[in-house]
Amino acid sequence: SAVISQKPSRDICQRGTSLTIQCQVDSQVTMMFWYRQQPGQSLTLIATANQGSEATYESGFVIDKFPISRPNLTFSTLTVSNLSPEDSSIYLCSVEEAGWEQFFGPGTRLTVL
Amino acid sequence: ELKVEQNPLFLSMQEGKNYTIYCNYSTTSDRLYWYRQDPGKSLESLFVLLSNGAVKQEGRLMASLDTKARLSTLHITAAVHDLSATYFCAVDSTGGTSYGKLTFGQGTILTVHP
Repeated sequence: SAVISQKPSRDICQRGTSLTIQCQVDSQVTMMFWYRQQPGQSLTLIATANQGSEATYESGFVIDKFPISRPNLTFSTLTVSNLSPEDSSIYLCSVEEAGWEQFFGPGTRLTVL
Repeated sequence: ELKVEQNPLFLSMQEGKNYTIYCNYSTTSDRLYWYRQDPGKSLESLFVLLSNGAVKQEGRLMASLDTKARLSTLHITAAVHDLSATYFCAVDSTGGTSYGKLTFGQGTILTVHP
């Protein structure tokens, strides 16, 4: 299975600033996904990131708040902009492999003060 | 809009007992996933169910899928403490030539007591 790493693993940020999260995969993958897990909650898909095209955002998530880059087939970044305490969550990237497997990265725990 | 509902949301079990977690979903799908999450950790893939009637087993866990009833079950046999975790089901309704957009259930917090 794909090995996925994320940086940073956790961060504490001030309100109004931004945080960029990196997701690195050890193999080339077509589709990468970004999820948010709010405290004590389930996971919600933020957007789908395909290399060479604009990210596709789910309802309730906008590019200005969550800009995503996908410069190649092994890497993606998610930026959470203009942070507020409500953005405190775990952010996870995932990849699809072999046409049906979905694997998740270790997550980035963000706390906004 | 696809909805995925798990029950129960909280499950306290005695070691050695059996129990089932249910996952209902609202629209057609041919892919259902079960994940485990330990506190402070990411998601560990347990099962991928790809067709009606699919059954998969790993150790004390067995998952099944009934696409006609839009129901999946995760059965726990002779629970042990190590199974204590949160279990999520997730449904992929993307379909067509692309997959991967998962809708998750609320999660079932399982605690196994001696």
